[in-house]
Amino acid sequence: GEDVEQSLFLSVREGDSSVINCTYTDSSSTYLYWYKQEPGAGLQLLTYIFSNMDMKQDQRLTVLLNKKDKHLSLRIADTQTGDSAIYFCAEKTNDYKLSFGAGTTVTVRA
Amino acid sequence: DAGVTQSPTHLIKTRGQQVTLRCSPKSGHDTVSWYQQALGQGPQFIFQYYEEEERQRGNFPDRFSGHQFPNYSSELNVNALLLGDSALYLCASSLGALVAYGYTFGSGTRLTVV
Repeated sequence: GEDVEQSLFLSVREGDSSVINCTYTDSSSTYLYWYKQEPGAGLQLLTYIFSNMDMKQDQRLTVLLNKKDKHLSLRIADTQTGDSAIYFCAEKTNDYKLSFGAGTTVTVRA
Repeated sequence: DAGVTQSPTHLIKTRGQQVTLRCSPKSGHDTVSWYQQALGQGPQFIFQYYEEEERQRGNFPDRFSGHQFPNYSSELNVNALLLGDSALYLCASSLGALVAYGYTFGSGTRLTVV
């Protein structure tokens, strides 16, 4: 079965790096995703990583995947106030659905 | 290029009533999925439609049903509404189902059942 877990809250100072962690249980995951949700909005895809990759970098975002430990992380460099949002980790196995964690609320303080 | 469009944005219904939510997928997309996001939780998969048929369904009762039209738009119907059906309902579209880049989500319909 699938179960995605995330820490619920993260507070970070503006300009610092943020690291959001996620664990998943389904070893048949093919792709793993990070989505961002701002208040009153839908989900915005930030980045994704294929399960045979260890790392993916996209501008300020770095995704690390430890498949052995089923651990996924998202690092946001130089965190800005506009990065305050809820971040969801999601996995996709061989079927058609995405399984989401409960989300990590990131608060950026000045 | 319009993304995923959902209507209405907000809705208030009474217990026992029926509701229909609508979704227009992003231009060029042919697959529509519906998710329920309760307050403080992550989205939960309801079902996915492709070629006007339900391809996969999550752990939701038969009160939840859907439809996809030839133009790829979709409706989500919920009968006999319960207070626990209050949530943000998200529609997501894609071209095909087994896509690497995930799905494009709409802004959702906020359903409140009183």
